[in-house]
Amino acid sequence: DAKTTQPNSMESNEEEPVHLPCNHSTISGTDYIHWYRQLPSQGPEYVIHGLTSNVNNRMASLAIAEDRKSSTLILHRATLRDAAVYYCILRDVGGNKLVFGAGTILRVKS
Amino acid sequence: KAGVTQTPRYLIKTRGQQVTLSCSPISGHRSVSWYQQTPGQGLQFLFEYFSETQRNKGNFPGRFSGRQFSNSRSEMNVSTLELGDSALYLCASSLVKTGLSYEQYFGPGTRLTVT
Repeated sequence: DAKTTQPNSMESNEEEPVHLPCNHSTISGTDYIHWYRQLPSQGPEYVIHGLTSNVNNRMASLAIAEDRKSSTLILHRATLRDAAVYYCILRDVGGNKLVFGAGTILRVKS
Repeated sequence: KAGVTQTPRYLIKTRGQQVTLSCSPISGHRSVSWYQQTPGQGLQFLFEYFSETQRNKGNFPGRFSGRQFSNSRSEMNVSTLELGDSALYLCASSLVKTGLSYEQYFGPGTRLTVT
């Protein structure tokens, strides 16, 4: 399973944008980049995923580097409810196995 | 659309006993995956079932098993419980289509405590 590297923790102010980085230098051509987050006392929640092009949805944006060796999850305006552990995961198109790393703990200050 | 449901939500068992956890996926989702979450090891993949067949398995001992029924509902079983099996067990369901990567939807989990 291809691995990802994320910072252990990040801090943001409420109402400001947050850029969560992820490095995946061993990504293969068929690996999708998935982001999930886990709020306290809840199961993980899907955020966004992409293959090559940047992606936007109602929750966030995903910016993927041209060589696909890194990506950035962008929360446009952080709220206190965005405080969670964010996981960047590479997922092969052939399977549903998610390999979770330690993720990034995002703290949002009011 | 109803989300993924898991029963029971909380369970206390004694070492040596066995336990069965249940998961009902989102309607139309035929893939069900199971994960174990502990403070020390984080989230770890147990196995995935699709169309009643196990199609992927994580690195867990044979005491951990599962099955999927024709209506896509899934159960996982842990036999001869050990203290280290205390964890949050999460179930996730997903659509499956060749060549595409779909998101997984997680249930709230079953909190198992082994004493």
